[in-house]
Amino acid sequence: EPEVTQTPSHQVTQMGQEVILRCVPISNHLYFYWYRQILGQKVEFLVSFYNNEISEKSEIFDDQFSVERPDGSNFTLKIRSTKLEDSAMYFCAWRGQFFPGANVLTFGAGSRLTVL
Amino acid sequence: KNQVEQSPQSLIILEGKNCTLQCNYTVSPFSNLRWYKQDTGRGPVSLTIMTFSENTKSNGRYTATLDADTKQSSLHITASQLSDSASYICVVSADNAGKSTFGDGTTLTVKP
Repeated sequence: EPEVTQTPSHQVTQMGQEVILRCVPISNHLYFYWYRQILGQKVEFLVSFYNNEISEKSEIFDDQFSVERPDGSNFTLKIRSTKLEDSAMYFCAWRGQFFPGANVLTFGAGSRLTVL
Repeated sequence: KNQVEQSPQSLIILEGKNCTLQCNYTVSPFSNLRWYKQDTGRGPVSLTIMTFSENTKSNGRYTATLDADTKQSSLHITASQLSDSASYICVVSADNAGKSTFGDGTTLTVKP
């Protein structure tokens, strides 16, 4: 299955700025996820999104974060006021609705965010 | 608390050699266990996925095993290649993919 496109591949921003990361998945997928990976650390779950609603979120996903799929295609992660500790790789992931795709998380190539 | 522990943390082997990576988990109820390969700076790529009833699954030179009773899995790499150098991540789900629990990964370095 082809990788989903994530944009930008790398973004450098100043602390306090808003950042929007985008994921363009295959249109028939319903389940979407955002994960992040701080350099040298493990992949961490941020949020899951189903049927245009957040279905679950981690404690990392605080009020500074939001997700939406405004036009049925792009799936976005917004960080309202970036902090230094938001510097990480952010991965979009998705899975199918029916077996066997329902069991497999497929990841995008990631967006690297650097907050200065 | 759901946890996934991987060992060793890192491993260096010579090209052509075999190796085995371990994964122990406490995720319950268990749905599936997946092994991913993550190249530096890239997203994880799925190698194998195993459900409760499966105890062995192969994907080319990669063979995963699962013992659901002892909550252990292994990933065996045969005839390693330089391109196998990567982080190998064990991911366990308590439901159908959903919010999965990731291990810290094992960093494999294959040297010529």
